[in-house]
Amino acid sequence: GQQLNQSPQSMFIQEGEDVSMNCTSSSIFNTWLWYKQDPGEGPVLLIALYKAGELTSNGRLTAQFGITRKDSFLNISASIPSDVGIYFCAGLEYTNYGQNFVFGPGTRLSVLP
Amino acid sequence: DGGITQSPKYLFRKEGQNVTLSCEQNLNHDAMYWYRQDPGQGLRLIYYSQIVNDFQKGDIAEGYSVSREKKESFPLTVTSAQKNPTAFYLCASSEWTGALTDTQYFGPGTRLTVL
Repeated sequence: GQQLNQSPQSMFIQEGEDVSMNCTSSSIFNTWLWYKQDPGEGPVLLIALYKAGELTSNGRLTAQFGITRKDSFLNISASIPSDVGIYFCAGLEYTNYGQNFVFGPGTRLSVLP
Repeated sequence: DGGITQSPKYLFRKEGQNVTLSCEQNLNHDAMYWYRQDPGQGLRLIYYSQIVNDFQKGDIAEGYSVSREKKESFPLTVTSAQKNPTAFYLCASSEWTGALTDTQYFGPGTRLTVL
């Protein structure tokens, strides 16, 4: 199946720094979702974006649905140690068979004290 | 509390045995999914079900089977035909309204180790 591209694959930052990661696709999606996964746990939904151009915040997190509907970015401001984890983006498209959620490979974030 | 439960959290089995992973949701979601995640990797879709008594193969269905007899339950059986069954298995569910606001939620996962 198709996959999304996420960049960077991994990043190491200092506590207090801002973080930016993005997700791109060759296909158009109706919805973009951002998840965070802690080791040994299931992904937890951070932000859902439903409209092209939409900019949504959740605390220190901000995400945008690209105007072309083929990309999205996630920013984390003033990173803290508990931000460590893997961040996945997902796109939702509707097909003749129903919903199709497509996931990126993830961005692994490490926060250095 | 509303959510998705998977049990057990850790599961050990001997090679050649079938094993069934449980997934239950009380979110009243129509659609349910099973994913496999290997260390350092993303999510790969095994099976999904949009409605009771119906399910479709995902990208890596070989060696797995599912059933959807009830809306809230979507068990996954890892059969002896699955060549590399050791992995982290994630169950998910979503609404299916078609209103472009559907979102997918995940359970806590089951780590299966085949010895």
